[in-house]
Amino acid sequence: DTGVSQDPRHKITKRGQNVTFRCDPISEHNRLYWYRQTLGQGPEFLTYFQNEAQLEKSRLLSDRFSAERPKGSFSTLEIQRTEQGDSAMYLCASSLWGETEGYTFGSGTRLTVV
Amino acid sequence: GEDVEQSLFLSVREGDSSVINCTYTDSSSTYLYWYKQEPGAGLQLLTYIFSNMDMKQDQRLTVLLNKKDKHLSLRIADTQTGDSAIYFCAEGSNDYKLSFGAGTTVTVRA
Repeated sequence: DTGVSQDPRHKITKRGQNVTFRCDPISEHNRLYWYRQTLGQGPEFLTYFQNEAQLEKSRLLSDRFSAERPKGSFSTLEIQRTEQGDSAMYLCASSLWGETEGYTFGSGTRLTVV
Repeated sequence: GEDVEQSLFLSVREGDSSVINCTYTDSSSTYLYWYKQEPGAGLQLLTYIFSNMDMKQDQRLTVLLNKKDKHLSLRIADTQTGDSAIYFCAEGSNDYKLSFGAGTTVTVRA
């Protein structure tokens, strides 16, 4: 297993367009998390899944954001009608439920909205 | 509250020890973590400590926790140029969500 993979690494899009990011977690991990990191800040929690169920969503996750994990494996994060304020690094992480040793993060998808 | 605060910058000479400090507000924090982020990369877990511990040592890393003052520190012994990065303190008071500080940028100079 090569860890948590995210695709694409970079995305530049025009304001108003929709974008979708993919995350492939460590295969035996049943929990998957999405975080957003803006320049000069630490990551902020967006949402998480246990298997295919989305159990918690932050108020940061507006109606334009939707995340899915249809088969309890990979996950997608879609942003509709992107705004310049959506420009950030979107980080995915995974863990095994009950494991307290922290998450394993992917390298992130850097989104730039122009 | 879930505020986590860190000093923003630290400059240290190669071979010296680095100490990065963090304060948090959530008294129910159960786990506290230190992550490292290199340019363009994701976060790498360095070490963690449970709230019922005062200290944890792992090779060049020493974590000290003062639960009364809600103060966490990370000491890196014999700092090397490869230690230059942003270091994030994070706290977890439940089993799914971490709250991060803004990060401390550590610069190691020769």
